[in-house]
Amino acid sequence: KAGVTQTPRYLIKTRGQQVTLSCSPISGHRSVSWYQQTPGQGLQFLFEYFSETQRNKGNFPGRFSGRQFSNSRSEMNVSTLELGDSALYLCASRFTAGTVFTDTQYFGPGTRLTVL
Amino acid sequence: ELKVEQNPLFLSMQEGKNYTIYCNYSTTSDRLYWYRQDPGKSLESLFVLLSNGAVKQEGRLMASLDTKARLSTLHITAAVHDLSATYFCAVPAPYGGATNKLIFGTGTLLAVQP
Repeated sequence: KAGVTQTPRYLIKTRGQQVTLSCSPISGHRSVSWYQQTPGQGLQFLFEYFSETQRNKGNFPGRFSGRQFSNSRSEMNVSTLELGDSALYLCASRFTAGTVFTDTQYFGPGTRLTVL
Repeated sequence: ELKVEQNPLFLSMQEGKNYTIYCNYSTTSDRLYWYRQDPGKSLESLFVLLSNGAVKQEGRLMASLDTKARLSTLHITAAVHDLSATYFCAVPAPYGGATNKLIFGTGTLLAVQP
C-alpha cells in the first residue's frame, strides 16, 4: 500500500509570494492533518480535515489555509510568504471507520519550503 | 495549555550501552506516541501507548507510559549505530473528541558512537 505522498518535495519562493502544497493520504484514510517543522519552534500543528471539513486549527495566522477534497486529498496554502515560513511541512493521514479514528498517524515525506 | 518536555535534548552514547529518554507532559492524557526522524526525513511511528502501564517493545527499544506521573520513557538497550536519529514523543491535545492534533516534545537527538 502506498504511503502518504506530498508534492512538491522542495520549493523555493520569495517573500510576498503564495504557495500551495499538496498531500495525498494513504488509500482509505479520510483524516488528514498538517504540521510545520522548524528548528526554532519544532513540530507545530497547523490544521486537520475529515470528510472535507476542518476539525481543528493550530495557532497560525490566517495566511495559512487548507482544504480537503472529496477524494481525501488535501492542500494547504500560504499567502504573502514571510522568511519565517521557511520550514518542512508535513502531512499525516489516519484511518477512520465511520467516526472512529485509529490511533496512528502516518506522515508523508514533507515539503521543504524555502522563502528568500 | 498542554506542554510536552523531553530530556535529554541531545544524547551521545556508545554502542552497546543502555540509556533512557524521558517525556513529561503537563495535562492528563491516556495515550502517548513515539516517533523517530532521520535527518531530512519524515516521522516514522514507533510506538502507540494507549493506557496507564502500557509497555511496548520493538527490537532494542522499549517504551512505557505512566499516566499518573504523566511520564513516558523510551529505553534503549545495547545501542547500535542504526538507532542514531531524533526521537519525539507526542501527546494528543485536549479536545472534545477525536483529534489529530498532537503536541510534540522538543525531540532528543541520539548519536550512537562506535
